[in-house]
Amino acid sequence: EAQVTQNPRYLITVTGKKLTVTCSQNMNHEYMSWYRQDPGLGLRQIYYSMNVEVTDKGDVPEGYKVSRKEKRNFPLILESPSPNQTSLYFCASSLAGSGNEQFFGPGTRLTVL
Amino acid sequence: SQQGEEDPQALSIQEGENATMNCSYKTSINNLQWYRQNSGRGLVHLILIRSNEREKHSGRLRVTLDTSKKSSSLLITASRAADTASYFCATSNDYKLSFGAGTTVTVRA
Repeated sequence: EAQVTQNPRYLITVTGKKLTVTCSQNMNHEYMSWYRQDPGLGLRQIYYSMNVEVTDKGDVPEGYKVSRKEKRNFPLILESPSPNQTSLYFCASSLAGSGNEQFFGPGTRLTVL
Repeated sequence: SQQGEEDPQALSIQEGENATMNCSYKTSINNLQWYRQNSGRGLVHLILIRSNEREKHSGRLRVTLDTSKKSSSLLITASRAADTASYFCATSNDYKLSFGAGTTVTVRA
């Protein structure tokens, strides 16, 4: 089944404890991206990747890192999480670029205490 | 920065009625997409309209795009309870994708 998977789905952590949220797609998509969703603000793009080893900042990249060493995986790293990073995170992928249909993962609900 | 803004923020309609929501954006776009989200789940793509198109249909969905006014509308005809969800427009420019804050639609039985 064609899908985007994220892990973990739920995470409660403490300020400053490094964490990684994994994202994987099995559709051989070139484009992958991360978003955070906060009430009243919709989705805001954190980082995106056009292909392996090619990443760029979205609208809210501060406090996040990404890497794209393999085409199927695009992990999101929070090196020192803070409470203002408490949010619902979505990974998405598409065949090529932001101008194509995006396939979204199920989301990761992160709480930073 | 948020490119798109949906209006209204919330909409409540009776089953069988039509639902219309609007999206306005600020800068030039390559295309505009509409997505649906059910209660905190992942977004699902509904329809994509390119900047050189004015109207597009998909089942009970009708999307219009007016690039001179930098606005788009999504019409859902003959609504059903299953249409209860949040709807987002997303504008694409180069490799970035910007979403609006969404319209929450409630369809009453």
